Parts: sequence; C-alpha cells; structure tokens
Amino acid sequence: RKEVEQDPGPFNVPEGATVAFNCTYSNSASQSFFWYRQDCRKEPKLLMSVYSSGNEDGRFTAQLNRASQYISLLIRDSKLSDSATYLCVVNPRYNFNKFYFGSGTKLNVKP
Amino acid sequence: GAGVSQSPSNKVTEKGKDVELRCDPISGHTALYWYRQSLGQGLEFLIYFQGNSAPDKSGLPSDRFSAERTGGSVSTLTIQRTQQEDSAVYLCASSPGVGQGSTEAFFGQGTRLTVV
Repeated sequence: RKEVEQDPGPFNVPEGATVAFNCTYSNSASQSFFWYRQDCRKEPKLLMSVYSSGNEDGRFTAQLNRASQYISLLIRDSKLSDSATYLCVVNPRYNFNKFYFGSGTKLNVKP
Repeated sequence: GAGVSQSPSNKVTEKGKDVELRCDPISGHTALYWYRQSLGQGLEFLIYFQGNSAPDKSGLPSDRFSAERTGGSVSTLTIQRTQQEDSAVYLCASSPGVGQGSTEAFFGQGTRLTVV
C-alpha cells in the first residue's frame, strides 16, 4: 500500500467554483502534513502546511482528519491561475524528515 | 539566490554513458533529498541524506544509481550505464533537518535527463 494516495483527477472546474481534494495516508503515527503545488514543468512549491486544528490562507483551507487518516484542501472562488497539480505530502513520525509525496491531483480551471 | 541549485538544468546523454547530477542545497540545511519524476507521473523517492550520511537509500532503483554528499552540503547523484528508462526530471530538495521542527522541503528546479 502506498504511503500517500490521491485521486489523480483531472478536476475540470469553471472559474469561481469551489473545489476540494482529499488525500489519504497509511501511517497513523504520521506527524506533519503539507500541500504542495506543482505547475507544468516546474518544481513543487509549498502551498500550505496542514495543522491539526485546520488552517486557512485566503481562498485555501486545509483540514486534517487523524481518525480517518486523510487531509483535504478546499479552494474557493477558483482562478485560472489555480490550474496546477496539487501534491499531498506526509512526514511520518518514525522517519522524521522523510517526505512522502502523493502522485498529485490535477486541477484545470476553465474560463 | 539562496535557493536550492541544481546543475545541469538539462542533460542529453547516450545510452550506456555515465552522468553526474549536482545539487547545492540551501545553506545550513542538513537534510537533502533526491526524487525522480517521469513525465506526467508523481515524485519517486530516491535517497535521503542527513548530513553526509544516507539513512535511507531505499528508493535507488538499481545499483547503477549512487549518491554522495560531502561537507554536509553539495550532493551528487551518479547514474552509470544510463538506460532510456532513466529519462526523467531529477529533483533535489533540502530542509533544515532533524530536530529543527517540522518544516517544508524546498526544491531545486531539477535536472531534465534525456537518454537517447
């Protein structure tokens, strides 16, 4: 079983839509969680960390559900510029500082 | 700049040749990672360094792949006798390291390797 699993998509949404991605992780002792964004032919860049209490950054909201071992990313009022692949990243407690990446969820925001 | 630097940015090599990819992490970052990303695919973990030692090299796909890190800084990933299936983007990332809190990994722009 993979450490981190994501729906590859693509999610095709109109501008202004709200879209949500989920990601599941296999190790219940996992310690920290992130969402990265990767544009076509570019390197991944941190979008936001995911905290136990949930956190929000503008139009982006991240949630963690430890009981069900998933994290989510909600994007409100989608912009064309949000089109990218969103990578879920987990850092397991047993191997601090090894980052496991999901294969990514592709988002296409259309006019 | 102060980011992760990788060289070369692009490399075309003939099948069977050896290649060496270089990563210069952010100054002071003790953890360094190599990942590989084939076209349209996710990131495949290759190896992780903490300082100069590699506690986890489980992702290296074969014994043709090796990596080293010297002085707790620059790392090189060497691929011997390259094969066409080695064609991918090789991404290096660094982070502050164990005991420095749970922080993000910062990526270089990658080396695009094409084996012809």
